[in-house]
Amino acid sequence: SSELTQDPAVSVALGQTVRITCQGDSLRSYSASWYQQRPGLAPFLVMYGKNNRPSGIPDRFSGSSSGDTASLTITEAQAEDEADYYCNSRDNNGNHRVFGGGTKVTVL
Amino acid sequence: QVQLMQSGAEVKKPGSSVKVSCKASGGTFSSSAFTWVRQAPGQGLEWMGGITPIFGSANYAQKFRGRVTITADESTTTVYMELSSLRSEDTAVFYCARDMYYYDNSNYREGNYFDSWGQGTLVTVSS
Repeated sequence: SSELTQDPAVSVALGQTVRITCQGDSLRSYSASWYQQRPGLAPFLVMYGKNNRPSGIPDRFSGSSSGDTASLTITEAQAEDEADYYCNSRDNNGNHRVFGGGTKVTVL
Repeated sequence: QVQLMQSGAEVKKPGSSVKVSCKASGGTFSSSAFTWVRQAPGQGLEWMGGITPIFGSANYAQKFRGRVTITADESTTTVYMELSSLRSEDTAVFYCARDMYYYDNSNYREGNYFDSWGQGTLVTVSS
């Protein structure tokens, strides 16, 4: 198995930019996906691969990756972006999936 | 996009088992892959395992191996997750999700993403 490491919490001023990172050895071989979860609700997909946004996800969300780190960037953060964000990828063997610990994004 | 509808909340005694269902509609069931995720109160998401109905065999996280069984019924397009030997620490919301494979040409990496999620099923383990 492998681990994906995320910062537990970040804050961003309304309208500013925040980057959430996900680090793990398996990211050198496999792409990451990102999920937003608001309190009491199921998670949903906001980004996958280097920069693939599902339909309906605002273009202020973007993704990138380099080496063992994947990133999700929110530009011009809005109040509704306040949520927990989780990365996911395969483990080092490629057989299983693994989640990062999650990052709580607070919009000030 | 597939819609996933999960069974309702359960209350179970320690040592017992729970079986949660996840009915898929609107997609190609047999060739899709499905995954189960656990979320304990106030905690993060935890991958439990997954199945591709057309292949039949499931794949489990080491942590849950021996206690979890994931199955699929193609006739009803339903995926099931059964967790046995329940303990209080298993109190959680369980989610099913469709697991999609992709190859990212921009960075020459393959990966997966969960594009549709069920609404979640709360399982409470209490004596």
